Amino acid sequence: AAGVIQSPRHLIKEKRETATLKCYPIPRHDTVYWYQQGPGQDPQFLISFYEKMQSDKGSIPDRFSAQQFSDYHSELNMSSLELGDSALYFCASTGQGVRETQYFGPGTRLLVL
Amino acid sequence: LAKTTQPVSMDSYEGQEVNITCSHNNIATNDYITWYQQFPSQGPRFIIQGYKTKVTNEVASLFIPADRKSSTLSLPRVSLSDTAVYYCLVGLPNGGSQGNLIFGKGTKLSVKP
Repeated sequence: AAGVIQSPRHLIKEKRETATLKCYPIPRHDTVYWYQQGPGQDPQFLISFYEKMQSDKGSIPDRFSAQQFSDYHSELNMSSLELGDSALYFCASTGQGVRETQYFGPGTRLLVL
Repeated sequence: LAKTTQPVSMDSYEGQEVNITCSHNNIATNDYITWYQQFPSQGPRFIIQGYKTKVTNEVASLFIPADRKSSTLSLPRVSLSDTAVYYCLVGLPNGGSQGNLIFGKGTKLSVKP
């Protein structure tokens, strides 16, 4: 079965650079969530989209922005990167008929040097 | 959102049954209890969800007493591959008023041969 796809899987950036993470939800899923998980930490909710509109916002820094496109894929844009942004970034999706479950992608590991 | 409390870690041996209890004293009437499993460097994976009494699927059972102030995830006959972090989440069926999941401190289960 198709799963959530995230790209890139690994990314190395330097401080003050920008990064764009992409998420392709499971086909026919209309909702995307972004989570950040720092080393040894629990996943923290960043932002979510439903039908291409932002539905909720968590602890997402102002330096970050995200959107969901017409094909339901989502991109997380990160600017002025800081060392503390180094983390695993997970995207999850859900859709009609399976809303009790969020299906997580493999994550993008971002390292900021 | 209801706060959850779980043991930080648990040890077990292969073939044993493992029970992880989660406390959620201020669970709301409409809240469900959901458990996720996370392996290192992978996205969380849905295990089971319930509202009251007992729920069982091919992976685990979830026991919820009448007062719903706690719940117990039961993993029958664990194997080494069950070594992971287990998260108990309490909220609306898809994770919250807007759907996002609030992860607390999970339980790190270590299964030994």
